[in-house]
Amino acid sequence: DAKTTQPTSMDCAEGRAANLPCNHSTISGNEYVYWYRQIHSQGPQYIIHGLKNNETNEMASLIITEDRKSSTLILPHATLRDTAVYYCIVGGSNTGFQKLVFGTGTRLLVSP
Amino acid sequence: KAGVTQTPRYLIKTRGQQVTLSCSPISGHRSVSWYQQTPGQGLQFLFEYFSETQRNKGNFPGRFSGRQFSNSRSEMNVSTLELGDSALYLCASSLGYPDAETQYFGPGTRLLVL
Repeated sequence: DAKTTQPTSMDCAEGRAANLPCNHSTISGNEYVYWYRQIHSQGPQYIIHGLKNNETNEMASLIITEDRKSSTLILPHATLRDTAVYYCIVGGSNTGFQKLVFGTGTRLLVSP
Repeated sequence: KAGVTQTPRYLIKTRGQQVTLSCSPISGHRSVSWYQQTPGQGLQFLFEYFSETQRNKGNFPGRFSGRQFSNSRSEMNVSTLELGDSALYLCASSLGYPDAETQYFGPGTRLLVL
């Protein structure tokens, strides 16, 4: 079973920041938070992951709360091409493979 | 680098037949995972291979099997197809260790069972 809770859907205006929340209150100390997205009819795309510290890459920023029970994925300037289902996944321990358990994700709609 | 490739992209089979799907990972990646995606069940993990060994397996019947070759390419096989096996089958590759969960997905093979 998925160990995360995400809103079913969110809307965002093009050019604005999209902030996608995720709750993972049962995360264990060595588990990472991963974000993937899936644009319609394509394979999922890796976005970013983190353990404790905030992370940023060319696609997005990941903010993890100090208690690690929740996180927020930030797309700083959303475009129409960011319309997708976004999955927050908890797992991995850097010691071997832990299968990715995909929940239902958040359907983000970016509008003009 | 070329991405993950999957063949064929589309497939139509009838009940009772078997099917083999192929996945070529990103060069240098040693781990290949397979997922099934259906509208009802979402994305579900099938199995993962690393250096030709199955490391992890999801909750699917034995009709679903896979293997990995020495060049890291992988195949999955479904025998005695059922209507419910109609799905998008996704392959993902990763370095395998230590960051095994940063996976790069292929475009998928869409299987229709009639």
